[in-house]
Amino acid sequence: QQQVKQSPQSLIVQKGGISIINCAYENTAFDYFPWYQQFPGKGPALLIAIRPDVSEKKEGRFTISFNKSAKQFSLHIMDSQPGDSATYFCAASTSGTYKYIFGTGTRLKVLA
Amino acid sequence: DVKVTQSSRYLVKRTGEKVFLECVQDMDHENMFWYRQDPGLGLRLIYFSYDVKMKEKGDIPEGYSVSREKKERFSLILESASTNQTSMYLCASSLSGWGHEQYFGPGTRLTVT
Repeated sequence: QQQVKQSPQSLIVQKGGISIINCAYENTAFDYFPWYQQFPGKGPALLIAIRPDVSEKKEGRFTISFNKSAKQFSLHIMDSQPGDSATYFCAASTSGTYKYIFGTGTRLKVLA
Repeated sequence: DVKVTQSSRYLVKRTGEKVFLECVQDMDHENMFWYRQDPGLGLRLIYFSYDVKMKEKGDIPEGYSVSREKKERFSLILESASTNQTSMYLCASSLSGWGHEQYFGPGTRLTVT
């Protein structure tokens, strides 16, 4: 019940296309959902995060969509660029804990 | 800028050796974390610390211990390294409380032969 299931494992998108990465969870106590981006040779860095009181959050070309009833959330990267090529991790956390449960990661490659 | 540094980028150790991985953060963060990252498994929490000398086990603490004698420094210790501990180790820090960004170091790639 503590798992966060992430898909797909890898994704190849043409430049200018839309990249979509999905995550699903079981624990309804989760109430904070960050996405982290990791470039080769670097540690992950926070990209965007959402709380379940909103269904969508947008920051530039990056959008999180949240479906509370389905217990799913997804990252959409619009107008994908080769510089977006990285590994993306979704995560979930519960109020009052320091702990994040991370998904297994999606390796995105955007072709020029 | 928050900076989390890890003592080594690459480390090669022999089975049975005692291994120390060091992490230092410069933002006066209360929380510090050690994760291991393996392909297909994502990031798994080994230990975290919410204050000096305070620690809690994460999801996979077996075979590891930690030490936090100073607020800025968090050490991961492999008492007797084994080949199944070959992995990428990531340290992170965050402010106290919930829902704060975790800032990660660049990682240490440990190989145990």
